[in-house]
Amino acid sequence: EPEVTQTPSHQVTQMGQEVILRCVPISNHLYFYWYRQILGQKVEFLVSFYNNEISEKSEIFDDQFSVERPDGSNFTLKIRSTKLEDSAMYFCASSDRTGGNSPLHFGNGTRLTVT
Amino acid sequence: GDSVTQMEGPVTLSEEAFLTINCTYTATGYPSLFWYVQYPGEGLQLLLKATKADDKGSNKGFEATYRKETTSFHLEKGSVQVSDSAVYFCALNTGANSKLTFGKGITLSVRP
Repeated sequence: EPEVTQTPSHQVTQMGQEVILRCVPISNHLYFYWYRQILGQKVEFLVSFYNNEISEKSEIFDDQFSVERPDGSNFTLKIRSTKLEDSAMYFCASSDRTGGNSPLHFGNGTRLTVT
Repeated sequence: GDSVTQMEGPVTLSEEAFLTINCTYTATGYPSLFWYVQYPGEGLQLLLKATKADDKGSNKGFEATYRKETTSFHLEKGSVQVSDSAVYFCALNTGANSKLTFGKGITLSVRP
């Protein structure tokens, strides 16, 4: 079964550094998402992306965050200058359609540790 | 805004025990409801869903019924197995977008 893949599985970075988290969504999917889960807390929506632009973003997704689909297969999340509170598990997801019935397919996540 | 509340965990059960994991929600509009599961070292996987009141979602022996009157979507299984050990997330979306609102998740450990 096709799956969403994320790399790396674990990223350690120093505060203030830029990080790029990578995702390869399922190939015929058109809708892409990033979520994150800070340890012990809820899985939180960050951003959704469709037709090469952001369709919705949360309050968490401030100017330090950006997303890109650079080559038609990868979907990346960039954090420009990491803070300690950015430490979390980041999940990428994709879907072939939008709406209440459409299931999201999630990757295994990237654990980001900011020191 | 939309929110999902799950019972506090973790939950530890013996194999073949009955499982109930509570989930309640608040939402504007008419949400679809989901249970996602995360096995150790893996991503979130859709376990089951229900899209309208009184619908019952079921998969792998798990069931949950969409109860509009109590705004609940409790997950049940009659006889758990060790392989059911995982983190379980209740979630909703209100249909305009596939954006999901998740609960905190609960860890289930099943001992032999």
